[in-house]
Amino acid sequence: NAGVTQTPKFRVLKTGQSMTLLCAQDMNHEYMYWYRQDPGMGLRLIHYSVGEGTTAKGEVPDGYNVSRLKKQNFLLGLESAAPSQTSVYFCASSYSTGGSYEQYFGPGTRLTVT
Amino acid sequence: DQQVKQNSPSLSVQEGRISILNCDYTNSMFDYFLWYKKYPAEGPTFLISISSIKDKNEDGRFTVFLNKSAKHLSLHIVPSQPGDSAVYFCAASERGGADGLTFGKGTHLIIQP
Repeated sequence: NAGVTQTPKFRVLKTGQSMTLLCAQDMNHEYMYWYRQDPGMGLRLIHYSVGEGTTAKGEVPDGYNVSRLKKQNFLLGLESAAPSQTSVYFCASSYSTGGSYEQYFGPGTRLTVT
Repeated sequence: DQQVKQNSPSLSVQEGRISILNCDYTNSMFDYFLWYKKYPAEGPTFLISISSIKDKNEDGRFTVFLNKSAKHLSLHIVPSQPGDSAVYFCAASERGGADGLTFGKGTHLIIQP
């Protein structure tokens, strides 16, 4: 079991470029999430998905799009990168255990936009 | 406005003693609370959780206490070990966490030998 994996681990983009971050989980979890963490801050929710084919906005969704075409994958897209999107991005997945949802996190993607 | 607050950016504790990490929240709709541990360059790792219907949950050396009236929770680590040195995040959610978690800014715990 690899758990939650993220690709790539590091990336440097120029302002205006686009890219897609891939998150994959092999635990058959229904729920998946994308967070960003900035220096000195906690993680903030960007988008999430409660099942294949469904997505919803989190706390900071502007400038990002997501897709969940397969249950095991959750993609985060930046159409036109901005320096304010320099951050570490974490993906997580979870399932219900008696009505609560413990989240399992990937190792993160460090993105720098110049 | 921050809904989950960890007011101590760092905490230093001697090995073998008790570490107490604190967290306050403002949203009375939160019904599920979690603590995560994070090492540098790694993702957060789940440590322990508590539902709003309980006031205490224990797992080995880790105990979480919830005081709903004060909107306060704390994580106790006894005894503290060198491997416990990490950043600890308090997180909270409505509806058990299905719609995602709201995190505090974290407390850097340093265990001194």
